[in-house]
Amino acid sequence: AQKVTQAQTEISVVEKEDVTLDCVYETRDTTYYLFWYKQPPSGELVFLIRRNSFDEQNEISGRYSWNFQKSTSSFNFTITASQVVDSAVYFCALSEASGGSNYKLTFGKGTLLTVNP
Amino acid sequence: ETGVTQSPTHLIKTRGQQVTLRCSSQSGHNTVSWYQQALGQGPQFIFQYYREEENGRGNFPPRFSGLQFPNYSSELNVNALELDDSALYLCASSRASGSFPYEQYFGPGTRLTVT
Repeated sequence: AQKVTQAQTEISVVEKEDVTLDCVYETRDTTYYLFWYKQPPSGELVFLIRRNSFDEQNEISGRYSWNFQKSTSSFNFTITASQVVDSAVYFCALSEASGGSNYKLTFGKGTLLTVNP
Repeated sequence: ETGVTQSPTHLIKTRGQQVTLRCSSQSGHNTVSWYQQALGQGPQFIFQYYREEENGRGNFPPRFSGLQFPNYSSELNVNALELDDSALYLCASSRASGSFPYEQYFGPGTRLTVT
């Protein structure tokens, strides 16, 4: 069965600090997909990134970067020079190819990030 | 491009009642998934609809049912409401399932409170 663990329940930083959100996943599949979503107080989940299991190349998008390591089953997310607008709950999610064609998302419990001015 | 919309925004029901939640998918998307998010938890997959048929279901009882219409909009119906059904219900749309998990775009959710 697939499982996603986000061990950090809450993180509080001061603006301009760098912060890393951890994500560890479990799956029996060799082909799977990892996602990060952001949920601001408005409640709407915002898609940030999708990663395929066969592509371990790290990715950078502006202040955001993702470190995918299959050896440790981790897909960590780093925000550089954090801003108050980054305050939100961040979810890591997993989707397995063997789940059939529906590619349901299995989410972690989320990490509440608070960036203080 | 119109995003995913859901209605109503908030809803209060009494235990035992029935409720219908609605979702309009993003333009160009023909797949709709529903998730339940309890307070302080991550969203949990309820079911998905593709071309008006249920295409996968999570660990939810049969009193949770759904529909998808020809215009790809969708409904989530919950019968015999229980207190534990109180949650944020999220709808997500995406392009066709198949061999690749296109990213799912979420609506703002419907906050259901059961008293």
